[in-house]
Amino acid sequence: QLVESGGDVIQPERSLTLSCVGSGFAFRNYAINWVRQTPGKGLEWVAVMSDDENRQYQADSVKGRFSMSRDNSKNTVYLHMKGLRLEDTAVYFCARAAAVVGPDAVFDYWGQGTLVTVSA
Amino acid sequence: ETVMTQSPVTLSVSPGEGATLSCRASRTISNNLAWFQQKPGQAPRLLIYAVSTRANGVPARFSGSGSGTEFTLTISSLQSEDFALYYCQQYNEWPPGHTFGQGTKVEI
Repeated sequence: QLVESGGDVIQPERSLTLSCVGSGFAFRNYAINWVRQTPGKGLEWVAVMSDDENRQYQADSVKGRFSMSRDNSKNTVYLHMKGLRLEDTAVYFCARAAAVVGPDAVFDYWGQGTLVTVSA
Repeated sequence: ETVMTQSPVTLSVSPGEGATLSCRASRTISNNLAWFQQKPGQAPRLLIYAVSTRANGVPARFSGSGSGTEFTLTISSLQSEDFALYYCQQYNEWPPGHTFGQGTKVEI
């Protein structure tokens, strides 16, 4: 199971941190991705962090503004968002994968999502 | 960035009929292609990965095929619970991009 939290209504240019807690599996062995979905629109991959937290990558749309961290002792991954924009309004899902990229990077389990609304 | 293009945008099907959904990648993605199903208010659910491997618990009426840049999800004999949004996704690109298609809505 993956459970996201931290979504909120927040003003533009402010910062917000989302959390994703995993349970029922060996959390430390999985990369964790963040994917967002704008209301009524499709899915956009946002970022990924490797299982050992040594590597992370972000989509161009959030590069320089979003970053990830993780605490494997707490089975938790964080998405740190700064300089939020109106277009960052979305439901944010976390999803696990056995690798960052390639044949094992399958998003096999997802959380239910947390809503971030950026509004003045 | 690898762009994923799905067609059609909407597919109208009667229960019991079959449905064929298409997904085209802007560049070769090897076999690193997945399909997801999403229902309103729910998270996406993995259906197919590696082009044609069904995820755990996915009924045999769902099948995937294709190679290179052209891929297909086939649903034989649609059940009421199959009416949903379907997305394809590539997980081949380095550095990671993991782009999704824009989705196909399968409606009654």
